[in-house]
Amino acid sequence: NAGVTQTPKFRILKIGQSMTLQCTQDMNHNYMYWYRQDPGMGLKLIYYSVGAGITDKGEVPNGYNVSRSTTEDFPLRLELAAPSQTSVYFCASSYDGQTYEQYFGPGTRLTVT
Amino acid sequence: AQTVTQSQPEMSVQEAETVTLSCTYDTSESDYYLFWYKQPPSRQMILVIRQEAYKQQNATENRFSVNFQKAAKSFSLKISDSQLGDAAMYFCAYLITGNQFYFGTGTSLTVIP
Repeated sequence: NAGVTQTPKFRILKIGQSMTLQCTQDMNHNYMYWYRQDPGMGLKLIYYSVGAGITDKGEVPNGYNVSRSTTEDFPLRLELAAPSQTSVYFCASSYDGQTYEQYFGPGTRLTVT
Repeated sequence: AQTVTQSQPEMSVQEAETVTLSCTYDTSESDYYLFWYKQPPSRQMILVIRQEAYKQQNATENRFSVNFQKAAKSFSLKISDSQLGDAAMYFCAYLITGNQFYFGTGTSLTVIP
């Protein structure tokens, strides 16, 4: 049982490039989340999904896109990378949206230069 | 606006002593959940303790307990018998219906041997 896995662990992008951050969970959780953590700050919710085929915006969705074609996978897409997207990105999952804890992946450190 | 405030950027405690981390939040919701997460240098987010807002009884989890004051919108974390492994960033967070998770900016806890 690997839990929540994220790839890559580190990435450097040039301004304007695109990339997809991968997230997979093997716990059969319905809910999945993407957060970003800027230096010295808490996590901010980018997007979340309550099940396959359903996604919704969080607090800071601009510049990102997501899809949820399967229960296990929840990739995050950056289309035109900007320096403001330099951050650590965390994926998380939970059985439901409230009473159960969120399990976090190890994070992806992204630098846009 | 939903906000979570952790007014102590850094705290320190002697090993085996007790420390309390503060958290206040602002919400107009009546139904929500409160959490404390620990983030060690590995960056992995680990759930420490959870409190349902409708419960008057304060949650406890081994050496960790909370002081939940709903009217004051306060949710402090007490760590008893502090251990070296408790050193980490601690984030207070709350979750309202609709799966919106809000995090504070964190408190860095140092445990002095």
